[in-house]
Amino acid sequence: KNEVEQSPQNLTAQEGEFITINCSYSVGISALHWLQQHPGGGIVSLFMLSSGKKKHGRLIATINIQEKHSSLHITASHPRDSAVYICAVRSETSGSRLTFGEGTQLTVNP
Amino acid sequence: GAGVSQSPSNKVTEKGKDVELRCDPISGHTALYWYRQSLGQGLEFLIYFQGNSAPDKSGLPSDRFSAERTGGSVSTLTIQRTQQEDSAVYLCASSLGSGLSSYNEQFFGPGTRLTVL
Repeated sequence: KNEVEQSPQNLTAQEGEFITINCSYSVGISALHWLQQHPGGGIVSLFMLSSGKKKHGRLIATINIQEKHSSLHITASHPRDSAVYICAVRSETSGSRLTFGEGTQLTVNP
Repeated sequence: GAGVSQSPSNKVTEKGKDVELRCDPISGHTALYWYRQSLGQGLEFLIYFQGNSAPDKSGLPSDRFSAERTGGSVSTLTIQRTQQEDSAVYLCASSLGSGLSSYNEQFFGPGTRLTVL
């Protein structure tokens, strides 16, 4: 079992839909990251959080430390949101290294 | 300002040859990370630098892989005697520091696609 599990692996939505991507992890962590990887391969860091909730534009990330679970929400989805979304954790014992989930391929159709 | 840059963007090499991949982090960023993304697989950590020292090189898959960082800036990842399983996209990231502050988010370079024939 991977230390970081994401669901779903693939997600197709219609423009305007509310989207949720889930991430569960099995180790104690100091921080969790959500990353976005575009079709061309470029990776952008969306959020780094260790508790609670963060919001940036139409993106919201939440984390529940007790349940070892995080969610990434996209409101009013748009075709330009189509990308792979990756969850990554910094464990309490591994310093700065990140352990990554397999990613969720999101496709938003117009 | 400029983001993280990597060179070359693509590298095709023959099995058994050595390759060097370069990463130029954002100016002033003290932390630098190397990751690898094999085809159809997730990202995996290779090595982390704080300044010129590498406190965590636990992700390097074999002793054919090495990395150095000089002057607290540019880093080079070297793969000796390349094998076909080394084919992957090699990504570099940098951050201002390595603590948990949101100021230390990682900025990724565009990657080097390595193909070993």
